Amino acid sequence: NAGVTQTPKFRVLKTGQSMTLLCAQDMNHEYMYWYRQDPGMGLRLIHYSVGEGTTAKGEVPDGYNVSRLKKQNFLLGLESAAPSQTSVYFCASSYSLYQPQHFGDGTRLSIL
Amino acid sequence: EDKVVQSPLSLVVHEGDTVTLNCSYEVTNFRSLLWYKQEKKAPTFLFMLTSSGIEKKSGRLSSILDKKELFSILNITATQTGDSAVYLCAVARMEYGNKLVFGAGTILRVKS
Repeated sequence: NAGVTQTPKFRVLKTGQSMTLLCAQDMNHEYMYWYRQDPGMGLRLIHYSVGEGTTAKGEVPDGYNVSRLKKQNFLLGLESAAPSQTSVYFCASSYSLYQPQHFGDGTRLSIL
Repeated sequence: EDKVVQSPLSLVVHEGDTVTLNCSYEVTNFRSLLWYKQEKKAPTFLFMLTSSGIEKKSGRLSSILDKKELFSILNITATQTGDSAVYLCAVARMEYGNKLVFGAGTILRVKS
């Protein structure tokens, strides 16, 4: 049982480039989330999904897009990367409203 | 605006010491409070608290919630070097999506 798997683990981009981060979970969870973690600021929610085919904005959605075409996968896209998007990105999932979220190991993204 | 404040920001203790980490919150439509431990990678779930005054315990870790005074504490007794981590507090609101509001975390370092 792999839990929540994020790929890639590290990536360096140039300003203006685009990329997609993949999150996969094998726990049949309905809810999935993308967070970013910056020093001194804790985890902030970017986008989330309450089921296959649904997405919604979180606290800091600008500059990011998401898709949930399959229940087990949640993709986070950066259309035109900016240095302010340098961060560690975490994906999480939960089975229901009453269950805790479980996190992946994170993707460290640097934008030059 | 919802906020979750953790204190202290960091602390250093010696093995065998007992530590108390604090989490206060101002969040509308409170559902539950969660504690996570974050070492190098993924935050790992410790406790979820929904009711005041009921202590949750796991080994040397325990936690309790006070919904009247809007805070929670996480206690660690007989600390070990393996307890060194960032401890995150998060609050879930009763709303669409089961979103979490995180505090900035407390960095704990246990010296041998």
